[in-house]
Amino acid sequence: GNSVTQMEGPVTLSEEAFLTINCTYTATGYPSLFWYVQYPGEGLQLLLKATKADDKGSNKGFEATYRKETTSFHLEKGSVQVSDSAVYFCALSSGSARQLTFGSGTQLTVLP
Amino acid sequence: EAGVAQSPRYKIIEKRQSVAFWCNPISGHATLYWYQQILGQGPKLLIQFQNNGVVDDSQLPKDRFSAERLKGVDSTLKIQPAKLEDSAVYLCASSLLGEGGNTIYFGEGSWLTVV
Repeated sequence: GNSVTQMEGPVTLSEEAFLTINCTYTATGYPSLFWYVQYPGEGLQLLLKATKADDKGSNKGFEATYRKETTSFHLEKGSVQVSDSAVYFCALSSGSARQLTFGSGTQLTVLP
Repeated sequence: EAGVAQSPRYKIIEKRQSVAFWCNPISGHATLYWYQQILGQGPKLLIQFQNNGVVDDSQLPKDRFSAERLKGVDSTLKIQPAKLEDSAVYLCASSLLGEGGNTIYFGEGSWLTVV
């Protein structure tokens, strides 16, 4: 079956530090890959996505590249801000039903 | 464009009581999902509808959970009787049928505490 493994948290960084959150997956077929972000007290928001191998998704300074050979979709940002503090979820969608399978989430705290 | 609407936002009930959550998806979205998110975990799919038909309810605890989408638009998720372990955020989401990359849009969630 499908599964997503995310880097364990929590992660605490200083403002302007470099961020990497690791994500690997197991899936049948050719999944689409996503990063969702959840700010405190809010629902999930799509951050970025990639639908095929070697695609790079990007948004708000965040990037992730779909690596089929390593089954990975690591999230990166060159310089984090306090406002990036949130929980980040890696997810995949595959098959005809097009459901999302989520990782367990990584709590990011950015200190000023 | 209005997003996915959910209500109530917060609910506290005693165990063995019942509760219902309502969801109105984005206009025109044929597919509707209910997810359960327990604190510290990723969301888990409970049920998926396409229009007013059930696509997948394999992870729905049918002895206590039920969901319907009678007219293919809004949906209700019911829990009866509630258990302590049902304390979670219930997320409703929707997507267009056949949208490339299958972007799923989430509501803000209904936070349930069972005491």
